[in-house]
Amino acid sequence: EAGVVQSPRYKIIEKKQPVAFWCNPISGHNTLYWYRQNLGQGPELLIRYENEEAVDDSQLPKDRFSAERLKGVDSTLKIQPAELGDSAVYLCASSSSRTGARNEQFFGPGTRLTVL
Amino acid sequence: SQQGEEDPQALSIQEGENATMNCSYKTSINNLQWYRQNSGRGLVHLILIRSNEREKHSGRLRVTLDTSKKSSSLLITASRAADTASYFCATDRDDKIIFGKGTRLHILP
Repeated sequence: EAGVVQSPRYKIIEKKQPVAFWCNPISGHNTLYWYRQNLGQGPELLIRYENEEAVDDSQLPKDRFSAERLKGVDSTLKIQPAELGDSAVYLCASSSSRTGARNEQFFGPGTRLTVL
Repeated sequence: SQQGEEDPQALSIQEGENATMNCSYKTSINNLQWYRQNSGRGLVHLILIRSNEREKHSGRLRVTLDTSKKSSSLLITASRAADTASYFCATDRDDKIIFGKGTRLHILP
């Protein structure tokens, strides 16, 4: 079974530039999460999707961050414009509410963003 | 905001010894999960324990949950070099999952 796929793996941009991250969850997983992980910290949830609906975006900085999950499968997370403090690893995870393991999340390798 | 807080922040033990990590949290939860993260494989789910469970085992892992003290512990028995990683607890309350800062475990040869 293929895992969660994320791209790019690394991204270096200058501040004020836009950046986008892409995630392809495990096939059949209806729940998709985007997290941000700063160095030495645990992941912090940015947004959670149930199918194509964003059910929890309370931690998403909406002035500069946006996300979408068209057709309830792939998802993109965008930052525009990026700030120095956005440097972090952005993780995507997915889970299935159908298997009974409702909260077991499968994580992708992450995108390491560096803002100069 | 971080609900769970792991203790200790870092731990070094000899290979073969047991490692114990603790997690304390602040509010009531539906369940608590433990994850491992290393540079090679990213974040991996280890075990989930529900609020009405007190202990759970999976291979060399043993997790306990004390809801009265709002704390959980993860025990890794007979540690191996491959156990070197960061370990995070994640609390789930009404589908809101919050990770702690993690314990960095280093297994010495």
